[in-house]
This record gives sequence, structure tokens and C-alpha cells, in this order.
Amino acid sequence: GNSVTQMEGPVTLSEEAFLTINCTYTATGYPSLFWYVQYPGEGLQLLLKATKADDKGSNKGFEATYRKETTSFHLEKGSVQVSDSAVYFCALSGDSGGSNYKLTFGKGTLLTVNP
Amino acid sequence: EPEVTQTPSHQVTQMGQEVILRCVPISNHLYFYWYRQILGQKVEFLVSFYNNEISEKSEIFDDQFSVERPDGSNFTLKIRSTKLEDSAMYFCAGGGDSYEQYFGPGTRLTVT
Repeated sequence: GNSVTQMEGPVTLSEEAFLTINCTYTATGYPSLFWYVQYPGEGLQLLLKATKADDKGSNKGFEATYRKETTSFHLEKGSVQVSDSAVYFCALSGDSGGSNYKLTFGKGTLLTVNP
Repeated sequence: EPEVTQTPSHQVTQMGQEVILRCVPISNHLYFYWYRQILGQKVEFLVSFYNNEISEKSEIFDDQFSVERPDGSNFTLKIRSTKLEDSAMYFCAGGGDSYEQYFGPGTRLTVT
């Protein structure tokens, strides 16, 4: 079945540092890939997505590129802010459409950014 | 901007009791989901719902669980006889005709 392996946290950075959170996946076919973010006390918010190989998703300074050859979707940001402190989840959904939009999540990575 | 809402935000119940968790998805969404997150663990898929019926369910979603969309707006998850291991955060999500899903803020269920 589908699975997502995500870099173990927690990750602690200083403001303006470079961020990478690694994510690799196992899936049949051509899944869509996502990063979700969960701020303290809140639900999951879609941060960015990519639906086919070599697509780059980007939002709020975060980027991730769908690499089929390495089955990876690493999250990067060039300069993190204190407000980026949250839990980040890598996820994938199947390629069959309809009910197979269900998401398979990684374990999540807690990011703390210090001023 | 429309958003998914869930009630209650926190539910405490005794083992063996029935609970109903409620969700109001975004009105034009077609696909509905429940996920759960046990403290410190990953978010897990429970069930998907489309066209007024279950389209897929996970191994977790046994006979103690059921879902309904009784009035075209609310989407509920019922647990008939709660167990200690049902304690978790439960998230409702919805989506249109695309891969994006929009999540509610979650209901924290505590079974004592």
C-alpha cells in the first residue's frame, strides 16, 4: 500500500535559517503530493501541492518539487520566520480519482523557529 | 472564505458510551472524509463518503463506527461504544472534484 516517510523531528532553527524537511513516498501509479501545516491548536491547512512529476508546489516562501526518480517531495524555505513554527505533514493521495482521494500522511515534523 | 467547522471542540466520555462528532463541510464539496490522530502519532484515514454512501474505509473503521450525512449539510461520525484507544483528535475534511481537501479544526475525544 501507499506510505510516506518523513524526516523525524523536532527541528529547531534560528530566524532566517534555511529549512529542509525530507519526505519520501511509496505508491503505485502517479500519486499527488502535498504538504500540510498544523499551527498550535488548529487543524490541518494545505500548504502546497504537486500533481505530477517535476511539478514544483510553492506557497508563502515554501517550495517542494515532485521527484519521481527519487520518490521524494522535500519541503524547503530559504529564510524561516518565528511564525513558521508548526507541525508539517507530507501526504499523498492516489491517482484513481473519486474516493481514492484519501490522504496518506507522514508522521509530521515539529518545527520551532527561535528569534 | 468558507471553512469546515466541527463540534464539539473537545468531548470527554466514559468507556462504553456512544459519541457523535459533527462536521459542517463547505457547501459545494462532494467528497467527505474522517481522519484521526492519536496523540504523537500520524494522521490516519478512517472513511470516505461520496454520493451519500461510504466509498472506502480503513481497517480502523470497524462496526463500532458509522457515518451519516442526514440533512445535506452536517456530516457525522458516530462511535457506538467507545474504548480507551479511541481517544484521539478527529478531523473532518471535504473536497470538490480535485485532490485538495479542506480540514476542520478537529474534535479532541477523550475516553476515560
